Amino acid sequence: KAGVTQTPRYLIKTRGQQVTLSCSPISGHRSVSWYQQTPGQGLQFLFEYFSETQRNKGNFPGRFSGRQFSNSRSEMNVSTLELGDSALYLCASSLIGQPSTDTQYFGPGTRLTVL
Amino acid sequence: AQRVTQPEKLLSVFKGAPVELKCNYSYSGSPELFWYVQYSRQRLQLLLRHISRESIKGFTADLNKGETSFHLKKPFAQEEDSAMYYCALSHTGGFKTIFGAGTRLFVKA
Repeated sequence: KAGVTQTPRYLIKTRGQQVTLSCSPISGHRSVSWYQQTPGQGLQFLFEYFSETQRNKGNFPGRFSGRQFSNSRSEMNVSTLELGDSALYLCASSLIGQPSTDTQYFGPGTRLTVL
Repeated sequence: AQRVTQPEKLLSVFKGAPVELKCNYSYSGSPELFWYVQYSRQRLQLLLRHISRESIKGFTADLNKGETSFHLKKPFAQEEDSAMYYCALSHTGGFKTIFGAGTRLFVKA
């Protein structure tokens, strides 16, 4: 079974631009979570989607948004990019997003560089 | 505040020696606790979770609610255990996971 895929793998943008990252979960998985990883802040939770609805949200500004489609694929969008948004963005999928029974499977990440 | 603390950024041990990676958490409620591992050039993956009380690759972790700790242990470290280890907790309602800063384990031959 194919793993979680993320596209693109690398991205370079300039300040003020916007960016959209994509995540395709493992087939049959309905929960998708997004994380930001930076050397300074480590792994931080952005949001989780389940059945096209945002179920949980982290402490990020409104410039960070996401959505999930009916096929469970998810996108996240960052508007008005800042230098501090440079990070590795990880996506993870699980069956129904129940931590006591599910396992999160992580994608390879999208490396975003903001110049 | 909800927090996961891993006090050691780097832990270096000799092959065959015992290893313990420390993790303390702060959470109001009953969280689900996990250890994730990332080997070189591989994806982040689940190593074990507290609720299953299992041993994976020789590693075990015991939840101590009194000390709010979830230390990861292995009696005899192997070179292939060298990796980055993250302690994490999730709420029961979905994977809103809080990660610790991570500990890099280096097992020397």
